[in-house]
Amino acid sequence: GAGVSQSPSNKVTEKGKDVELRCDPISGHTALYWYRQSLGQGLEFLIYFQGNSAPDKSGLPSDRFSAERTGGSVSTLTIQRTQQEDSAVYLCASSPKGGDIQYFGAGTRLSVL
Amino acid sequence: GESVGLHLPTLSVQEGDNSIINCAYSNSASDYFIWYKQESGKGPQFIIDIRSNMDKRQGQRVTVLLNKTVKHLSLQIAATQPGDSAVYFCAEKRRQLTFGSGTQLTVLP
Repeated sequence: GAGVSQSPSNKVTEKGKDVELRCDPISGHTALYWYRQSLGQGLEFLIYFQGNSAPDKSGLPSDRFSAERTGGSVSTLTIQRTQQEDSAVYLCASSPKGGDIQYFGAGTRLSVL
Repeated sequence: GESVGLHLPTLSVQEGDNSIINCAYSNSASDYFIWYKQESGKGPQFIIDIRSNMDKRQGQRVTVLLNKTVKHLSLQIAATQPGDSAVYFCAEKRRQLTFGSGTQLTVLP
């Protein structure tokens, strides 16, 4: 597609349930990033994939959070046993190999009740 | 700890005036900075970037100034328009991009 696509755009779940958030990066972009943005806050780095290298997971807040990137393209961010403090907008970005500029999707707004 | 911060959380300007959004950073080793614009309900959008070997860079109606001596970054928007109303983030690159908390720019008619 023309830009980074994220789905769903909104997700409401109950505390304790697992959720999966999907990101389709820009075609040909080898780098993919996940961020979390709480209301009125900046972007909190979660995880970074670059090609076939081991991902940089240094930003994941707990072991309830995990992410995969299959075939070097689509990525899924999974949050297990969701908590109310997980409520936020989850943003995905991609960039071309060697590029610094990240191109963002519109995000998934997660609400944990 | 090291962080990227913004001086003001909100800024209101009259349409047609120039806007200046400021950002302080504390890591002198950062060598690359980006400004992003985020409109309501959308992801951040790249505006302009600057590397540490530069003091100034200009784009269309926007200018970024970098003062490495005081570790300060600013975004100037000329002739501010209603469509410029958004949250503006600065970000510095160390290992990964680190974003500030943002400044809400409101353009008054």
